[in-house]
Amino acid sequence: RKEVEQDPGPFNVPEGATVAFNCTYSNSASQSFFWYRQDCRKEPKLLMSVYSSGNEDGRFTAQLNRASQYISLLIRDSKLSDSATYLCVVNTDKLIFGTGTRLQVFP
Amino acid sequence: SQTIHQWPATLVQPVGSPLSLECTVEGTSNPNLYWYRQAAGRGLQLLFYSVGIGQISSEVPQNLSASRPQDRQFILSSKKLLLSDSGFYLCAWIRDSDTQYFGPGTRLTVL
Repeated sequence: RKEVEQDPGPFNVPEGATVAFNCTYSNSASQSFFWYRQDCRKEPKLLMSVYSSGNEDGRFTAQLNRASQYISLLIRDSKLSDSATYLCVVNTDKLIFGTGTRLQVFP
Repeated sequence: SQTIHQWPATLVQPVGSPLSLECTVEGTSNPNLYWYRQAAGRGLQLLFYSVGIGQISSEVPQNLSASRPQDRQFILSSKKLLLSDSGFYLCAWIRDSDTQYFGPGTRLTVL
C-alpha cells in the first residue's frame, strides 16, 4: 500500500463548480498534513496546511479525519486559474508526497 | 524574505556524462535542505537531505550524490548519468519545522 494515495484524475469541471479531492495515508503516526498546488512544469507551492479542526482559506476548505486517515480539499466556485495538479502531503518523520490529482476547469 | 535559487533551469545531457546541479538559499541561515526528483507522471521522490554543512543523508540508493559545501548551498551530482536519471529536480528548504518551499527546479533530459 502506498504511503499517500490520491485519485490521479483528471477532474474536468466547469467554472463555478464545487470539486472535492480526497487523499488517504497509511501511517497513523503522521503528524502534519498539507495541500500543495503544482502548475504544469513548475515547482509545487504550498496551498494550505490541514488542521484537525478543519480550515478554510477563501474558496478552499481542508479537512482531516485522523480516525479514517484521510484528508480532503474542497474548492468552491472553481476558476479557470484553479487548473493545476493538487498534491497531498503527509509529514511522518519526513514529508511524503502523493502523486497528485489533476484538475481542469473549463469555461 | 527567503528565496531559493536553482540552476540551470533546463539541461540536456548524454548518457554517461557528469552532472552538477546547484541550489542556493537566501535570507535564512542553517536551513534544512532537500533534493527531490519528480519523474514524468510520478510523485516527488526524496533523494537527499542536509541539516548542515557537510551533513548529507541519502534516502534511496542511486546514481547520484549530494554535497553541502556552504551553509546555503546544496549540490546534486553524478559521475555518469543514466537514462533513468531524467526528471524534474527540485531543491527545497524547510520553514516552521515542517513547511517546505521549493526552488524553481531543473528539468533534466538524459539522451
